[in-house]
Amino acid sequence: DAGVIQSPRHEVTEMGQEVTLRCKPISGHNSLFWYRQTMMRGLELLIYFNNNVPIDDSGMPEDRFSAKMPNASFSTLKIQPSEPRDSAVYFCAGWMGVPGNTIYFGEGSWLTVV
Amino acid sequence: AQTVTQSQPEMSVQEAETVTLSCTYDTSESNYYLFWYKQPPSRQMILVIRQEAYKQQNATENRFSVNFQKAAKSFSLKISDSQLGDTAMYFCAFGQSYQLIWGAGTKLIIKP
Repeated sequence: DAGVIQSPRHEVTEMGQEVTLRCKPISGHNSLFWYRQTMMRGLELLIYFNNNVPIDDSGMPEDRFSAKMPNASFSTLKIQPSEPRDSAVYFCAGWMGVPGNTIYFGEGSWLTVV
Repeated sequence: AQTVTQSQPEMSVQEAETVTLSCTYDTSESNYYLFWYKQPPSRQMILVIRQEAYKQQNATENRFSVNFQKAAKSFSLKISDSQLGDTAMYFCAFGQSYQLIWGAGTKLIIKP
């Protein structure tokens, strides 16, 4: 089992540019999360998908952020246009959808917007 | 509001010592799940141990054990015979479903 795979691992971009983060979840996991981690705000849930459908996007900061899950094996988080305050580590995580079960995190995408 | 408090921002102990990380939480729910996750320098969050609130018996996983005090809303993590590889950020979290409430984390440093 390869685990949750995220790309890119690191990205440095200029303010105003579009950023796309990618995630391949673990096969068989019907639920997927995008989290953001910063020193100031800790770990924040951005969006939760179940069976490829966005269930809870209340954590998405603003319209500049969008997430899609076109199929069970792929998801993207897009930021357009990016701003310096978007600099953070973005985690994709998978889950079996059963309360109490382990959430499996990817290694994260470290985004720096200059 | 539901909250998680980890009162120790940073701790350090010598290798082979025992260390306890504290976590308190606040909820009006009676049934939920509690977790400790570890985030080593590689950044990937990994589950260390979990506890179901309706179970009185404290969970254990090898060198890791918890002291769950439901009435006090306390969920501490004890690491026995600490190893250099235990150096990491440790996050306490709880929840009933997909939405977990996360603590701010405790940075644990194991010194050789």
